[in-house]
Amino acid sequence: AQTVTQSQPEMSVQEAETVTLSCTYDTSESDYYLFWYKQPPSRQMILVIRQEAYKQQNATENRFSVNFQKAAKSFSLKISDSQLGDAAMYFCAYFSGSARQLTFGSGTQLTVLP
Amino acid sequence: ETGVTQSPTHLIKTRGQQVTLRCSSQSGHNTVSWYQQALGQGPQFIFQYYREEENGRGNFPPRFSGLQFPNYSSELNVNALELDDSALYLCASSRFNLIGGKADTQYFGPGTRLTVL
Repeated sequence: AQTVTQSQPEMSVQEAETVTLSCTYDTSESDYYLFWYKQPPSRQMILVIRQEAYKQQNATENRFSVNFQKAAKSFSLKISDSQLGDAAMYFCAYFSGSARQLTFGSGTQLTVLP
Repeated sequence: ETGVTQSPTHLIKTRGQQVTLRCSSQSGHNTVSWYQQALGQGPQFIFQYYREEENGRGNFPPRFSGLQFPNYSSELNVNALELDDSALYLCASSRFNLIGGKADTQYFGPGTRLTVL
């Protein structure tokens, strides 16, 4: 079974600074996808970024980028120019090529300080 | 493009009762997945529906059941409610591609907060 580990229960960052959230996963599969979702206090789970395992290039979405290290099974999220609206719980999630489900980590609570 | 919607927003039930939660999928999506998120934890997969049939199931007992309708909307039913069923229930829709048999990115609804007393 796949597992996803987020070792940082809480992180904080100063507004306009950069922060990196860590995620590691365990799998024996070669075809899979990795995601970062954010969940603000409103509870809605919002997609931040997606990475296909077969792609060597790291995904980027505006201020959000990932560092995908397939051999190390590591998938970190970098948030540049942090904004107050980035404050949320961030979940790393794994999705295999033939799976029916997302497997989530335990989350990292990000606080953005003004 | 209409996003994923869920109803009701909040629900309070007592132990032993039955509950039905509803989800409307995003336009163009044909697959619905349900997740349970206990307070302070990541979501746990309950099951997925595709073409009106259960297409995968997590480690949840049979008293958790579901339906998918021809318009791809879905219901989650929970019988004989227990105190531990208190959680946020999230619905996610996606598009399952027959070619390659792969499901696309899942997009989530706002959730239903269930409290069991």
